[in-house]
Amino acid sequence: EADIYQTPRYLVIGTGKKITLECSQTMGHDKMYWYQQDPGMELHLIHYSYGVNSTEKGDLSSESTVSRIRTEHFPLTLESARPSHTSQYLCASSELNGEKDEQYFGPGTRLTVT
Amino acid sequence: GESVGLHLPTLSVQEGDNSIINCAYSNSASDYFIWYKQESGKGPQFIIDIRSNMDKRQGQRVTVLLNKTVKHLSLQIAATQPGDSAVYFCAEIYSGGGADGLTFGKGTHLIIQP
Repeated sequence: EADIYQTPRYLVIGTGKKITLECSQTMGHDKMYWYQQDPGMELHLIHYSYGVNSTEKGDLSSESTVSRIRTEHFPLTLESARPSHTSQYLCASSELNGEKDEQYFGPGTRLTVT
Repeated sequence: GESVGLHLPTLSVQEGDNSIINCAYSNSASDYFIWYKQESGKGPQFIIDIRSNMDKRQGQRVTVLLNKTVKHLSLQIAATQPGDSAVYFCAEIYSGGGADGLTFGKGTHLIIQP
């Protein structure tokens, strides 16, 4: 089982609130990712990072922001949550120069904005 | 942009039978493919991968076939068990992409009938 953790697992919050979804991994991976997934649908990349102080936007536009101050930590923040942000958010990590490009996923945070 | 898709949203098989899940990809430059399994309430879990210089790769009870001529990928699960019930995603990586180019298909929900 992958050593990548996400908190909270479930979050119900009102419109306009600021929220931060936590993601941490203990594998020493340099690359980390955030995906958004609606129920039963495919994953869409919203942010990624190649290492400390590196952050990039993914293929799917998102109003969220990320930071990478420590290798093991890659939090995602929504400054003002809206019902359209309701979704599952999955964090993943992988080696920077490994033989495999396999990404290890956390259990996800299911966010509901009322 | 390029996308990876699966042919069937749901596949129902009898316990003990073999399952075949299909995926079509559109980016002929993709050089690495992964199959993930996602159980309810969990993040995707790596099953097996294959590079574009291979046609077939076998794991424990699983086989991945790659047909580059028709850009088709399949996952074969032998002697399907109840624990195989999940949504299966194929993912495509183009190493020349911005974030390792990891693109997911829509997923096939595998249902095991007793």
